Amino acid sequence: SYVLTQPPSVSVAPGQTARITCGGNNIGSKSVHWYQQKPGQAPVLVVYDDSDRPSGIPERFSGSNSGNTATLTISRVEAGDEADYYCQVWDSNSDHVVFGGGTKLTVL
Amino acid sequence: EVQLVQSGAEVKKPGESLKISCQAFGYSFTNYWIGWVRQMPGKGLEWMGIIYPGDSDTRYSPSFQGQVTISADKSISTAYLQWTSLKASDTAKYYCVRQRGILYGMDVWGQGTTVTVSS
Repeated sequence: SYVLTQPPSVSVAPGQTARITCGGNNIGSKSVHWYQQKPGQAPVLVVYDDSDRPSGIPERFSGSNSGNTATLTISRVEAGDEADYYCQVWDSNSDHVVFGGGTKLTVL
Repeated sequence: EVQLVQSGAEVKKPGESLKISCQAFGYSFTNYWIGWVRQMPGKGLEWMGIIYPGDSDTRYSPSFQGQVTISADKSISTAYLQWTSLKASDTAKYYCVRQRGILYGMDVWGQGTTVTVSS
């Protein structure tokens, strides 16, 4: 089955740029979605279809996808961005959803 | 307002059955997929399956096929996740989610239902 690999943790200072990667075989051919989950809350969609933002999501959140890696980029990181982030795709070969293992973003 | 409202927390014993619900508000229930996502304590997100209430087309993750049943009642805009015999390992928070299509992101999430299975 299709596997998505994320780093367990990423740390960044406030005001800097955080990049969270999501690796998968030829992931560039798939649509990647990203979710933010803060402690005790339900996840929230922050980027869909590789690089689009739902309404209400700050422009600081952006995404890219090429080759074997998709990336969620958070610019001008704020303390409130501290959360777990998950990537997700639909694997057409197996006909089901796949989530990455999640990345904990720590704002130093 | 578009929202998914889930049923309340449950405490069950191993071997018992359970059906939790997810009621949709603010949009056409039959035009979107509803999925279910499990999150075990301190762990990541796991996809369980998805249903299209318009025609009841249902897909399951291989990990959950045969372990749960996903259904929907169009007349009351409600989706369900059901177990016939719970195990301690089913202890988790369960989220229902909305998707415009199976390729699309999960744009609306329920608040989650906590299920605790303990003897």
